[in-house]
Amino acid sequence: EDKVVQSPLSLVVHEGDTVTLNCSYEVTNFRSLLWYKQEKKAPTFLFMLTSSGIEKKSGRLSSILDKKELFSILNITATQTGDSAVYLCAVEAVEYGNKLVFGAGTILRVKS
Amino acid sequence: EAGVAQSPRYKIIEKRQSVAFWCNPISGHATLYWYQQILGQGPKLLIQFQNNGVVDDSQLPKDRFSAERLKGVDSTLKIQPAKLEDSAVYLCASSLGYRGSEQYFGPGTRLTVT
Repeated sequence: EDKVVQSPLSLVVHEGDTVTLNCSYEVTNFRSLLWYKQEKKAPTFLFMLTSSGIEKKSGRLSSILDKKELFSILNITATQTGDSAVYLCAVEAVEYGNKLVFGAGTILRVKS
Repeated sequence: EAGVAQSPRYKIIEKRQSVAFWCNPISGHATLYWYQQILGQGPKLLIQFQNNGVVDDSQLPKDRFSAERLKGVDSTLKIQPAKLEDSAVYLCASSLGYRGSEQYFGPGTRLTVT
Protein backbone atom coordinates (compact mmCIF):
# COMPACT_ATOMS: atom_id res chain seq x y z
CA GLU A 1 0.00 0.00 0.00
CA ASP A 2 1.28 3.46 -0.89
CA LYS A 3 2.39 5.42 2.15
CA VAL A 4 3.63 8.93 2.89
CA VAL A 5 4.89 9.77 6.39
CA GLN A 6 5.66 13.28 7.59
CA SER A 7 7.56 14.37 10.66
CA PRO A 8 7.35 16.04 13.02
CA LEU A 9 3.58 16.07 13.46
CA SER A 10 3.75 19.57 14.88
CA LEU A 11 6.34 22.20 15.55
CA VAL A 12 6.41 25.51 17.41
CA VAL A 13 9.21 27.97 16.67
CA HIS A 14 9.95 31.65 17.12
CA GLU A 15 10.10 34.18 14.32
CA GLY A 16 13.48 34.11 12.64
CA ASP A 17 14.12 30.43 13.33
CA THR A 18 14.90 27.94 10.57
CA VAL A 19 12.78 24.80 10.34
CA THR A 20 13.16 21.53 8.49
CA LEU A 21 10.13 19.39 7.68
CA ASN A 22 10.53 15.77 6.65
CA CYS A 23 8.63 13.52 4.27
CA SER A 24 9.36 9.85 3.59
CA TYR A 25 7.42 7.71 1.15
CA GLU A 26 6.80 4.24 -0.13
CA VAL A 27 4.89 4.17 -3.40
CA THR A 28 4.97 2.05 -6.49
CA ASN A 29 5.59 3.81 -9.78
CA PHE A 30 6.81 7.09 -8.29
CA ARG A 31 6.52 10.09 -10.56
CA SER A 32 7.01 13.18 -8.39
CA LEU A 33 6.80 14.58 -4.88
CA LEU A 34 4.86 17.73 -4.10
CA TRP A 35 4.71 20.11 -1.16
CA TYR A 36 1.59 22.10 -0.34
CA LYS A 37 0.82 24.76 2.27
CA GLN A 38 -2.62 24.57 3.86
CA GLU A 39 -3.99 27.37 5.97
CA LYS A 40 -7.66 27.45 6.92
CA LYS A 41 -8.63 26.69 3.37
CA ALA A 42 -7.51 24.81 0.29
CA PRO A 43 -3.96 23.47 -0.10
CA THR A 44 -1.79 25.73 -2.22
CA PHE A 45 1.05 24.34 -4.30
CA LEU A 46 4.65 25.07 -3.25
CA PHE A 47 7.03 22.73 -5.07
CA MET A 48 7.17 19.71 -7.32
CA LEU A 49 10.31 17.57 -7.24
CA THR A 50 11.12 14.84 -9.71
CA SER A 51 14.92 14.51 -9.65
CA SER A 52 17.22 13.67 -6.78
CA GLY A 53 19.64 16.25 -5.47
CA ILE A 54 18.23 19.25 -7.28
CA GLU A 55 17.09 21.93 -4.86
CA LYS A 56 13.96 23.88 -5.61
CA LYS A 57 13.87 27.33 -4.07
CA SER A 58 11.27 30.03 -3.67
CA GLY A 59 12.16 32.93 -1.42
CA ARG A 60 12.76 31.59 2.08
CA LEU A 61 11.48 28.11 1.20
CA SER A 62 13.54 25.37 -0.36
CA SER A 63 13.13 21.66 -0.90
CA ILE A 64 15.16 18.71 -2.05
CA LEU A 65 14.42 15.10 -2.94
CA ASP A 66 16.43 11.92 -2.35
CA LYS A 67 14.97 9.17 -4.55
CA LYS A 68 17.45 6.58 -3.29
CA GLU A 69 16.51 7.02 0.35
CA LEU A 70 12.87 7.89 -0.51
CA PHE A 71 12.53 11.14 1.34
CA SER A 72 12.30 14.87 0.91
CA ILE A 73 12.85 17.86 3.18
CA LEU A 74 11.27 21.29 3.15
CA ASN A 75 13.32 24.09 4.70
CA ILE A 76 11.98 27.44 5.77
CA THR A 77 14.52 30.05 6.83
CA ALA A 78 13.88 33.25 8.81
CA THR A 79 10.37 32.07 9.66
CA GLN A 80 7.53 34.58 9.93
CA THR A 81 4.13 34.32 11.61
CA GLY A 82 2.59 34.08 8.15
CA ASP A 83 4.37 30.75 7.69
CA SER A 84 2.08 29.22 10.31
CA ALA A 85 0.13 26.51 8.49
CA VAL A 86 -0.10 22.80 7.84
CA TYR A 87 2.52 21.65 5.35
CA LEU A 88 1.44 18.68 3.30
CA CYS A 89 3.67 16.33 1.35
CA ALA A 90 2.13 14.32 -1.49
CA VAL A 91 3.53 11.77 -3.85
CA GLU A 92 2.31 11.39 -7.40
CA ALA A 93 1.97 7.75 -8.40
CA VAL A 94 1.62 6.66 -11.99
CA GLU A 95 -1.31 4.38 -11.53
CA TYR A 96 -4.62 5.84 -12.58
CA GLY A 97 -3.69 9.12 -14.16
CA ASN A 98 -1.93 11.35 -11.66
CA LYS A 99 -3.10 10.08 -8.29
CA LEU A 100 -1.77 12.00 -5.30
CA VAL A 101 -1.12 10.22 -1.99
CA PHE A 102 -0.87 12.73 0.87
CA GLY A 103 0.86 12.53 4.21
CA ALA A 104 -0.89 13.68 7.38
CA GLY A 105 0.95 16.97 7.38
CA THR A 106 3.17 18.93 9.76
CA ILE A 107 1.51 21.68 11.77
CA LEU A 108 3.86 24.63 12.01
CA ARG A 109 3.23 27.48 14.41
CA VAL A 110 5.51 30.48 14.35
CA LYS A 111 5.36 32.64 17.46
CA SER A 112 6.17 36.35 17.36
CA GLU B 1 -9.27 33.42 -13.78
CA ALA B 2 -11.97 32.14 -11.43
CA GLY B 3 -10.94 29.36 -9.07
CA VAL B 4 -12.64 26.12 -8.13
CA ALA B 5 -16.01 26.83 -6.55
CA GLN B 6 -17.66 24.64 -3.94
CA SER B 7 -20.90 24.84 -2.02
CA PRO B 8 -22.03 24.77 0.64
CA ARG B 9 -19.03 25.83 2.73
CA TYR B 10 -20.42 24.28 5.90
CA LYS B 11 -23.04 21.63 6.58
CA ILE B 12 -24.29 20.04 9.77
CA ILE B 13 -26.53 16.98 9.54
CA GLU B 14 -27.62 14.12 11.75
CA LYS B 15 -26.44 10.59 11.14
CA ARG B 16 -28.51 8.63 8.62
CA GLN B 17 -29.44 11.82 6.78
CA SER B 18 -28.28 12.49 3.25
CA VAL B 19 -26.18 15.38 1.97
CA ALA B 20 -24.88 16.63 -1.36
CA PHE B 21 -21.91 18.79 -2.24
CA TRP B 22 -21.38 20.73 -5.44
CA CYS B 23 -18.19 21.63 -7.28
CA ASN B 24 -17.57 23.82 -10.30
CA PRO B 25 -14.02 23.41 -11.62
CA ILE B 26 -11.88 25.96 -13.37
CA SER B 27 -13.14 26.52 -16.89
CA GLY B 28 -11.55 24.15 -19.37
CA HIS B 29 -10.19 21.73 -16.76
CA ALA B 30 -10.97 18.22 -17.90
CA THR B 31 -9.95 16.41 -14.71
CA LEU B 32 -11.88 16.77 -11.47
CA TYR B 33 -11.08 15.22 -8.10
CA TRP B 34 -12.96 14.79 -4.84
CA TYR B 35 -10.90 14.40 -1.68
CA GLN B 36 -11.92 13.68 1.91
CA GLN B 37 -9.79 15.27 4.62
CA ILE B 38 -10.48 14.06 8.15
CA LEU B 39 -9.17 16.29 10.94
CA GLY B 40 -5.48 15.63 11.52
CA GLN B 41 -5.02 13.71 8.27
CA GLY B 42 -4.01 14.55 4.75
CA PRO B 43 -6.55 14.61 1.91
CA LYS B 44 -7.57 11.19 0.62
CA LEU B 45 -8.72 10.82 -2.98
CA LEU B 46 -12.28 9.57 -3.23
CA ILE B 47 -12.89 9.80 -6.96
CA GLN B 48 -11.26 11.21 -10.08
CA PHE B 49 -13.11 12.14 -13.28
CA GLN B 50 -11.67 12.73 -16.72
CA ASN B 51 -14.39 14.73 -18.47
CA ASN B 52 -17.52 12.80 -17.48
CA GLY B 53 -15.83 9.41 -17.09
CA VAL B 54 -14.52 7.90 -13.85
CA VAL B 55 -10.74 7.30 -13.83
CA ASP B 56 -10.34 6.11 -10.24
CA ASP B 57 -12.96 5.47 -7.57
CA SER B 58 -11.11 2.74 -5.70
CA GLN B 59 -11.36 4.54 -2.34
CA LEU B 60 -14.96 5.67 -2.65
CA PRO B 61 -17.26 3.86 -0.14
CA LYS B 62 -19.77 2.97 -2.79
CA ASP B 63 -22.40 1.66 -0.38
CA ARG B 64 -23.05 5.23 0.79
CA PHE B 65 -21.12 7.63 -1.43
CA SER B 66 -21.89 8.49 -5.04
CA ALA B 67 -20.57 11.12 -7.42
CA GLU B 68 -21.41 12.26 -10.88
CA ARG B 69 -20.16 14.67 -13.49
CA LEU B 70 -22.82 14.37 -16.13
CA LYS B 71 -21.82 17.07 -18.61
CA GLY B 72 -18.11 16.94 -17.93
CA VAL B 73 -18.14 20.26 -16.11
CA ASP B 74 -19.54 20.58 -12.59
CA SER B 75 -19.87 17.66 -10.22
CA THR B 76 -21.86 16.55 -7.21
CA LEU B 77 -20.83 14.23 -4.40
CA LYS B 78 -23.56 12.63 -2.32
CA ILE B 79 -23.55 10.74 0.96
CA GLN B 80 -26.56 8.65 1.86
CA PRO B 81 -26.92 7.71 4.67
CA ALA B 82 -24.27 9.69 6.55
CA LYS B 83 -22.29 8.22 9.45
CA LEU B 84 -20.44 9.98 12.24
CA GLU B 85 -17.10 9.05 10.67
CA ASP B 86 -18.00 11.00 7.52
CA SER B 87 -17.33 14.24 9.41
CA ALA B 88 -14.55 15.83 7.39
CA VAL B 89 -13.69 18.54 4.90
CA TYR B 90 -14.55 17.56 1.34
CA LEU B 91 -12.17 19.17 -1.13
CA CYS B 92 -12.73 19.43 -4.83
CA ALA B 93 -9.80 20.00 -7.18
CA SER B 94 -9.42 20.31 -10.91
CA SER B 95 -6.59 20.15 -13.38
CA LEU B 96 -6.03 20.85 -17.03
CA GLY B 97 -3.34 18.25 -17.47
CA TYR B 98 -2.16 15.03 -15.91
CA ARG B 99 0.43 16.29 -13.42
CA GLY B 100 -0.13 16.64 -9.69
CA SER B 101 1.21 20.15 -9.47
CA GLU B 102 -1.50 21.36 -11.77
CA GLN B 103 -4.30 20.48 -9.35
CA TYR B 104 -6.12 23.57 -8.07
CA PHE B 105 -8.16 23.08 -4.92
CA GLY B 106 -11.46 24.65 -3.96
CA PRO B 107 -12.18 26.05 -0.48
CA GLY B 108 -13.80 22.82 0.68
CA THR B 109 -17.04 21.90 2.41
CA ARG B 110 -16.82 21.19 6.11
CA LEU B 111 -19.31 18.44 7.02
CA THR B 112 -20.25 17.71 10.61
CA VAL B 113 -22.37 14.62 11.27
CA THR B 114 -23.98 14.54 14.74
